[in-house]
Amino acid sequence: QIVLTQSPSASASLGASVKLTCTLNSDYSFFAIAWHQQQPEKGPRFLMRVNADGRHTKGDGIPARFSGSSSGAERHLTISSLQSEDEADYYCQTWGTGLWVFGGGTKLTVL
Amino acid sequence: EVQLVQSGAEVTEPGESLRISCKTSGYTFSNHWIGWVRQLPGKGLEWVGIIDPGDSETRYSPSFQGRVTISADKSISTAYLHLSSLKASDTAIYYCARQDSVLMVIDYWGQGTLVTVSS
Repeated sequence: QIVLTQSPSASASLGASVKLTCTLNSDYSFFAIAWHQQQPEKGPRFLMRVNADGRHTKGDGIPARFSGSSSGAERHLTISSLQSEDEADYYCQTWGTGLWVFGGGTKLTVL
Repeated sequence: EVQLVQSGAEVTEPGESLRISCKTSGYTFSNHWIGWVRQLPGKGLEWVGIIDPGDSETRYSPSFQGRVTISADKSISTAYLHLSSLKASDTAIYYCARQDSVLMVIDYWGQGTLVTVSS
């Protein structure tokens, strides 16, 4: 079965950059994933899909300071020029044959 | 503009059933799978199940199999989540979401429906 692993928390300073990681288990290391952002008291929002080769496709209106990359079984979300509104939970998500899988989420704190 | 608009908050008692709706617009309803996701208070996202509106094929998470039913009405571009034998522990926000048929990811979310189960 597909498993997505995320660190529970991360922090970075206002204006800095941060890189969040989602790791696929080895049998599924070639899978693409999606990143979703959930700001406090709001519903999730699709940020981007990240392929195994690092190419990424962003959702409507997602700023350029959000980018994606890959390394082996790891899928990354990098946020540059951090702003206060980037403080949120970030979830990775993938899909198998007719099923969805979510990572546990990373809570990002902007200092 | 793609939109998924869910029905309003619900309060119900243990043992009861209810149905949540997800009305879509801005795209061809039959062309993209719709799924449901649960979020318990203060917790992460859990996949409940998914439907292909084109032929109503459904798949369910083993954690929810037997207690939920997902359906779709193509005539009004709306998907439904039916929850039965509700328990207090089912108190949560339920989201519908669209899976893009090309990107094969969730690319749009509904605003969420809070379900409160309390005696």
